[in-house]
Amino acid sequence: DAKTTQPPSMDCAEGRAANLPCNHSTISGNEYVYWYRQIHSQGPQYIIHGLKNNETNEMASLIITEDRKSSTLILPHATLRDTAVYYCIVRGKAAGNKLTFGGGTRVLVKP
Amino acid sequence: GAVVSQHPSWVICKSGTSVKIECRSLDFQATTMFWYRQFPKQSLMLMATSNEGSKATYEQGVEKDKFLINHASLTLSTLTVTSAHPEDSSFYICSAQRLAGGTDTQYFGPGTRLTVL
Repeated sequence: DAKTTQPPSMDCAEGRAANLPCNHSTISGNEYVYWYRQIHSQGPQYIIHGLKNNETNEMASLIITEDRKSSTLILPHATLRDTAVYYCIVRGKAAGNKLTFGGGTRVLVKP
Repeated sequence: GAVVSQHPSWVICKSGTSVKIECRSLDFQATTMFWYRQFPKQSLMLMATSNEGSKATYEQGVEKDKFLINHASLTLSTLTVTSAHPEDSSFYICSAQRLAGGTDTQYFGPGTRLTVL
């Protein structure tokens, strides 16, 4: 699976949109971009995934660039409960659908 | 939907004993489940892939005789840590794979914190 690069940490203000970047320049055509988050001492929570089109659900929006080499997860109105480590993962069937977790981005939402 | 449970949520055991952790998909069937381990301040590391009705596939460096995996039904996988030692103390997390909308998505359990004394 393609490697991803995320900033190690970022702060954002409560009530504002949080934009989390992810680079995946070696992504191949059949690999999906997945986002999970892990709140302290809990299992990861699925957020959203996409292939090439932008996606939106009740939790977040995923914007994938046209060349698919990067993406941005958008939390529209961050709350204190959104404080977590956010993982961007590229996953493809070639690797048996495994998820490889990197370091993620530690997001701190401040009041 | 897509709820995965784990039991127990935490366990403390003596060195040399065995511990079984259960992972259940509550509202969907999962032919494939995964087991991860997470040490403090580190990311999740995949230990093994559990397939219903067949042997688990272990990642490199994971001892299959020490970490026994059984996936006897479409909603239950178990991980048994045999002859546990203090270095096995960790946060063990399972996930279950659900097919929806043409793609497989992993949903994670809440994790089991194992402490070996």
